[in-house]
Amino acid sequence: EDKVVQSPLSLVVHEGDTVTLNCSYEVTNFRSLLWYKQEKKAPTFLFMLTSSGIEKKSGRLSSILDKKELFSILNITATQTGDSAIYLCAVASNRDDKIIFGKGTRLHILP
Amino acid sequence: GAGVSQSPSNKVTEKGKDVELRCDPISGHTALYWYRQSLGQGLEFLIYFQGNSAPDKSGLPSDRFSAERTGGSVSTLTIQRTQQEDSAVYLCASSSLRGNTGELFFGEGSRLTVL
Repeated sequence: EDKVVQSPLSLVVHEGDTVTLNCSYEVTNFRSLLWYKQEKKAPTFLFMLTSSGIEKKSGRLSSILDKKELFSILNITATQTGDSAIYLCAVASNRDDKIIFGKGTRLHILP
Repeated sequence: GAGVSQSPSNKVTEKGKDVELRCDPISGHTALYWYRQSLGQGLEFLIYFQGNSAPDKSGLPSDRFSAERTGGSVSTLTIQRTQQEDSAVYLCASSSLRGNTGELFFGEGSRLTVL
């Protein structure tokens, strides 16, 4: 059965700190790994990763995938209070179009 | 439409009543997904549609849950004889071209409260 495990489940840091969020997965016939940010209601797309070792970057956020070890990390540098959110990791399979999410990491940035 | 639209945004119902939740995806998106999110939890997969067909219904929690999609567009998630444990936010998302990018566009969700 496909599954996604995120860690930590919860994280509290001070503004300016750097954080690393982890996502490990098991999926049949891997297609892509996705990161989303959820602040209030609708999750918003951050990154899609399909190839190992290629870093995706957007401002202070970056992510990389390791398809051999079956995990991805999401880094946020110089955190700001606006980064407080739930960060969701998901995987998609080529076997079907089902997209499975992990339980998320709840990140809280203290001013 | 410009984005994924869900209705109602909030629904309070009594235990035992039936509810219908509606999702209007982005125009042209062939894939449509339903997820459930309980307070503070991740997204639990319920069902997805490719066009009007649902290849995988294994995520539906019980036979009280059903979903349909007509005309390759609007989808309805129906919960019969609601129970208190059904209380959650029900999120709908759509994706284009058989979801080949994996990028999902989410609606704002329908918050269901069963008293």
